[in-house]
Amino acid sequence: EVRLVESGGGLVPPGGSLRLSCTASGFTFKNHWMHWVRLSPGEGLVWVARINEDGTRTNYGDSVKGRFTISRDNTKNTLFLQMSSLRGDDTSLYFCVRDAERVRAFDYWGQGTLVTVSS
Amino acid sequence: DIQMTQSPSSLSTSVGDRVTITCRASQIIDKYVIWYQLRPGKAPRLLIYEASTLQTGVPSRFSGSGSGTDFTLTISSPQPEDFVTYYCQQYYSYPYTFGQGTRLEIK
Repeated sequence: EVRLVESGGGLVPPGGSLRLSCTASGFTFKNHWMHWVRLSPGEGLVWVARINEDGTRTNYGDSVKGRFTISRDNTKNTLFLQMSSLRGDDTSLYFCVRDAERVRAFDYWGQGTLVTVSS
Repeated sequence: DIQMTQSPSSLSTSVGDRVTITCRASQIIDKYVIWYQLRPGKAPRLLIYEASTLQTGVPSRFSGSGSGTDFTLTISSPQPEDFVTYYCQQYYSYPYTFGQGTRLEIK
């Protein structure tokens, strides 16, 4: 069974930093692109970042470029999102998402970890 | 970036009454539309990919159609557990943008 379990969310003041983790199991992690997607009441679902199978290629949404860094450790089947210079509009539920291997889709999602940016 | 315009934003209907949700892309995206179901407290679920292919395990009352710029998600006979939120997404080109979501409510 494919499982994606996010952790690391919490309350952080504006300008602060936070590191999210996602532990993957039930599949060959190193064979998949991975993404972070966030959900907020005001914006709905927003794609945040992606990373290729070996971690050598990354891309970011405009709203987080230069502030967030996606990375992975294939030896530990773990995906990361380092967030810095956090703002109020970064407040969201953050999902770890697997990119399907053979079709263009996000086929498995975690349940999300909540990040709240507030003083 | 490709914009995905999803409508309606909310829909109130009865159990068993056919439901159609639409998504329009700001440019041609071939067949690369995906539909997801979001349920509170649960992981989002892939329903349909490549506009019309049902993901394994998804009930056959869900269907998708369209190509080019206009796409639809249809629920032929919605059950109580289907009254949640749905999103479309384009996977034609990065960044992979989403529609604004449709909240389905029981009348």
